[in-house]
Amino acid sequence: DAKTTQPPSMDCAEGRAANLPCNHSTISGNEYVYWYRQIHSQGPQYIIHGLKNNETNEMASLIITEDRKSSTLILPHATLRDTAVYYCIVRLPYSGAGSYQLTFGKGTKLSVIP
Amino acid sequence: DSGVTQTPKHLITATGQRVTLRCSPRSGDLSVYWYQQSLDQGLQFLIQYYNGEERAKGNILERFSAQQFPDLHSELNLSSLELGDSALYFCASSVLGQGGPYGYTFGSGTRLTVV
Repeated sequence: DAKTTQPPSMDCAEGRAANLPCNHSTISGNEYVYWYRQIHSQGPQYIIHGLKNNETNEMASLIITEDRKSSTLILPHATLRDTAVYYCIVRLPYSGAGSYQLTFGKGTKLSVIP
Repeated sequence: DSGVTQTPKHLITATGQRVTLRCSPRSGDLSVYWYQQSLDQGLQFLIQYYNGEERAKGNILERFSAQQFPDLHSELNLSSLELGDSALYFCASSVLGQGGPYGYTFGSGTRLTVV
């Protein structure tokens, strides 16, 4: 799996957009980018994933650069409840072999400031 | 509620003891994954079961074992416990299909404290 690099921490003002970057310069052509977050001691929560096109759901948007070497998770209107550790993970799609564990790095600790 | 149920939520036990953590996956999910999260190690993959069979092993100690039952619930057994085994233990489940990836759903975890 491709290695990812994320800043260890970021601050964001409440109500503003939070833009969390992730570098994955060794990503291969069929690896997906996943984002998860973990709110203090809770189980990680799936946010969004994508391959090459930008993706949006009710939680966030994912912008993947054209060369796929980096991506940005955007929380459009951050609230205090978005304070969490955000993990960017790059992974091959399920191949039918039955094994699909995720490798979590240290992530980015996002603090939303009132 | 994520749909993945872990019991107990908290467990305090003494060194040398054995405990069993239980996980019920989300309805329809065939795969169960166990992760350990300690303060200094982050989230570490331990083991995966798919439809009752072991499919992958990560950084799981020999003192630890797991199984998945016919009703798809899973148990993680930790024996000869040491202080360093104190951690949050998470279970996750997923639907495995052909082609694209699917997100995991994590449970709320079991906090194990070894004293």
